[in-house]
Amino acid sequence: GESVGLHLPTLSVQEGDNSIINCAYSNSASDYFIWYKQESGKGPQFIIDIRSNMDKRQGQRVTVLLNKTVKHLSLQIAATQPGDSAVYFCAEKMSNYKLTFGKGTLLTVNP
Amino acid sequence: GAGVSQSPRYKVTKRGQDVALRCDPISGHVSLYWYRQALGQGPEFLTYFNYEAQQDKSGLPNDRFSAERPEGSISTLTIQRTEQRDSAMYRCASSTRSGGGTGELFFGEGSRLTVL
Repeated sequence: GESVGLHLPTLSVQEGDNSIINCAYSNSASDYFIWYKQESGKGPQFIIDIRSNMDKRQGQRVTVLLNKTVKHLSLQIAATQPGDSAVYFCAEKMSNYKLTFGKGTLLTVNP
Repeated sequence: GAGVSQSPRYKVTKRGQDVALRCDPISGHVSLYWYRQALGQGPEFLTYFNYEAQQDKSGLPNDRFSAERPEGSISTLTIQRTEQRDSAMYRCASSTRSGGGTGELFFGEGSRLTVL
């Protein structure tokens, strides 16, 4: 069936570098996408979202890019900090209430 | 409270027993979701409520699982005759948006169920 997936299960970066986390989705009907951050022992926390009529959205130190042609979503984190270490999930919604999550990428920031 | 509250945080039970997991959503949130999350995996959808109406229960694994939200606020997820494969983190989330809308889901800390 259609699903959301991630290319890289783990990503290790140096503090201060930029991080890019990628996500491939296969459901062309999805019209809304969200990135969540999950720290150890905690629930997923909303980072940033983007609708399918946009290709870029910026937040504080984070940018989400959406390429509908190749069904690809990415999360860019600028000047990565140790506090950014967590598992990052992308999720998609298909014009209804159900959010489908991918498997997650573990981001480790080295001091 | 300010966030989604779940209880118990940890539950250890013997195979065959029934368990009830409680979720108290953020006040005023009309939408409530139950998800199940295995270690290292993303949350998996179980069921969705819009106010007190259970509008989707397609993610419930089998008929041992049920959920209710009788007054449109607190919800209970019940698992009857638990099996070891039911062991997981059960997460509740709520949202201000009604079904069909977009919007942020606020997740609780989860209830970790272990079936021996």
